[in-house]
Amino acid sequence: AQSVAQPEDQVNVAEGNPLTVKCTYSVSGNPYLFWYVQYPNRGLQFLLKYITGDNLVKGSYGFEAEFNESQTSFHLKKPSALVSDSALYFCAVRDMKDNAGNMLTFGGGTRLMVKP
Amino acid sequence: DSGVTQTPKHLITATGQRVTLRCSPRSGDLSVYWYQQSLDQGLQFLIQYYNGEERAKGNILERFSAQQFPDLHSELNLSSLELGDSALYFCASSRGLGAGEQFFGPGTRLTVL
Repeated sequence: AQSVAQPEDQVNVAEGNPLTVKCTYSVSGNPYLFWYVQYPNRGLQFLLKYITGDNLVKGSYGFEAEFNESQTSFHLKKPSALVSDSALYFCAVRDMKDNAGNMLTFGGGTRLMVKP
Repeated sequence: DSGVTQTPKHLITATGQRVTLRCSPRSGDLSVYWYQQSLDQGLQFLIQYYNGEERAKGNILERFSAQQFPDLHSELNLSSLELGDSALYFCASSRGLGAGEQFFGPGTRLTVL
């Protein structure tokens, strides 16, 4: 079965500093990886995805993610954090359940706190 | 705004009751997914429908059922509710069965008292 781990429950960073939110995965077959963000009392918003191709994926709001096959990681990054980036971030892997479905398996989430 | 709508936004009910949650996917999306988000279980996949047919089942209790109608909207039915069913229920949709991203609705917060 596919699985995703987000080893940090919370990441604290000062505004203007670079941020990294970590994600490692375990899949059988090709990994299809996603990052979503959840603001308070809102649904999940898609940030970016890795399907194939360049290991550095660019997404919304200045976020990017680096796919590393040897380390089975897909860390989310941003060069300069904003206070408005404070939210809950989820890494997910596509799980072709029984080769029929198309579900997402999510990590436990990482709360990002950006302080002024 | 993802284009996925869910109603109601909030639902408060008592143990033993039955409720129905409704979801309208983005225009053109054929796949609908239901997820449950709770503090102890995190985000868990419940069930997926594609063009009216069930495609995949996750950790969905037998007391829960879903369907997708010809107009592609979907309903999640929760019966014999227990306190532990209190959670945020999300609907998501995607174009088809490929590797594309899923777009999530705002969720329905269910509180069982």
